[in-house]
Amino acid sequence: QVQLVESGGGVVQPGRSLRLSCAASGFTFSSYGMHWVRQAPGKGLEWVAVISYDGSNKYYADSVKGRFTISRDNSKNTLYLQMNSLRAEDTAVYYCADIVTWGQGTLVTVSS
Amino acid sequence: DIVMTQTPLSLSVTPGQPASISCKSSQSLLHSDGKTYLYWYLQKPGQSPQLLIYEVSSRFSGVPDRFSGSGSGTDFTLKISRVEAEDVGVYYCMQGIHLSWTFGQGTKVEIK
Repeated sequence: QVQLVESGGGVVQPGRSLRLSCAASGFTFSSYGMHWVRQAPGKGLEWVAVISYDGSNKYYADSVKGRFTISRDNSKNTLYLQMNSLRAEDTAVYYCADIVTWGQGTLVTVSS
Repeated sequence: DIVMTQTPLSLSVTPGQPASISCKSSQSLLHSDGKTYLYWYLQKPGQSPQLLIYEVSSRFSGVPDRFSGSGSGTDFTLKISRVEAEDVGVYYCMQGIHLSWTFGQGTKVEIK
């Protein structure tokens, strides 16, 4: 069945980096634009970034622009989010998603 | 950026009674292709968001027919005809007319 599985979350100090991955299965990954959405503890959903089906177009929320990079490897059916210069306010569950399918999320905690 | 505003932010409903959530967007969600890119999601406790309604009024596969969506342009409504215990959670509207999604603040639905 259609599935998105995120990994790579954890506890990281402010200013450090982390790379999240999202493994897709059950659909033609290379045909779809993909998004990252995050949810801070007890808060609502915040869109983070999107990448086109072929990786040629990328857009970011102002809150992460210049620090986060979205990418994909269609040969591996995998979406990535490289997060640099992390801040406490980046603490959240990060979901990869398309309109229909969302992963289970991976928790990123930025704390010293 | 398009701002999505939901009301109310919380709702306590007796089982079997109806419920309604309003969502207003700061810009029209009607695309030049004739479609209106407004979605409704339900995030049950401890789970990822799940798609209920796409393009204003189309129920996603497997969604019970007690859920219905309506509206146009900038004003939208999600209705639950008879609330059941399994409907508890936070409901989000989302605009997808732009690649940079935006979400409403969420409406928490609980059972009396």
